[in-house]
Amino acid sequence: EAQVTQNPRYLITVTGKKLTVTCSQNMNHEYMSWYRQDPGLGLRQIYYSMNVEVTDKGDVPEGYKVSRKEKRNFPLILESPSPNQTSLYFCASSSPSRGPGGGYTFGSGTRLTVV
Amino acid sequence: AQTVTQSQPEMSVQEAETVTLSCTYDTSENNYYLFWYKQPPSRQMILVIRQEAYKQQNATENRFSVNFQKAAKSFSLKISDSQLGDTAMYFCAFMPDSNNAGNNRKLIWGLGTSLAVNP
Repeated sequence: EAQVTQNPRYLITVTGKKLTVTCSQNMNHEYMSWYRQDPGLGLRQIYYSMNVEVTDKGDVPEGYKVSRKEKRNFPLILESPSPNQTSLYFCASSSPSRGPGGGYTFGSGTRLTVV
Repeated sequence: AQTVTQSQPEMSVQEAETVTLSCTYDTSENNYYLFWYKQPPSRQMILVIRQEAYKQQNATENRFSVNFQKAAKSFSLKISDSQLGDTAMYFCAFMPDSNNAGNNRKLIWGLGTSLAVNP
């Protein structure tokens, strides 16, 4: 089944404790992206990647890092999480072969709480 | 700035009836893409329907159809024969084609409409 897999689905952590949210897709998509979803603010892009070793900032990159060492994986790293990073996070992927308006395939989301 | 506005935070409809969700957007782009995504309580983000701005014909996917008015910058979603499983948050999203030229396929999102389908 074609899918984007995110782990974990739920995570509660303490301020300052480094964490990684994993994202993996099995569709051989070149493009991957991370969004965070917050009430009243909607979804905002954190980082994106056009292909292996090619990443760039989205609208709200502060406090996050990403890497793209393999085409299928695009982990989101919080080096020193803070309570304002409490949010629902989505990973998504897309392929140019689907056309520029082809839309994304989303992961199931990760609910992160930083206390 | 490019923005997407969904003016109805909450809506409800009786099962089997028809409901229309509103979306307007602001852009100076001539070519772009519009989407409706559904987010049920499971939180999964599911693509419902998409529309390319250069196509005048309104997109249709089974019970879901759109009314795309480019001049008015309006992109409403009509759900016919509503089912209980349609209960969800619905998000309208916009992707400028210039994003694609710059390689960032960033979606710009509205804040969503919470739809409840009542039995």
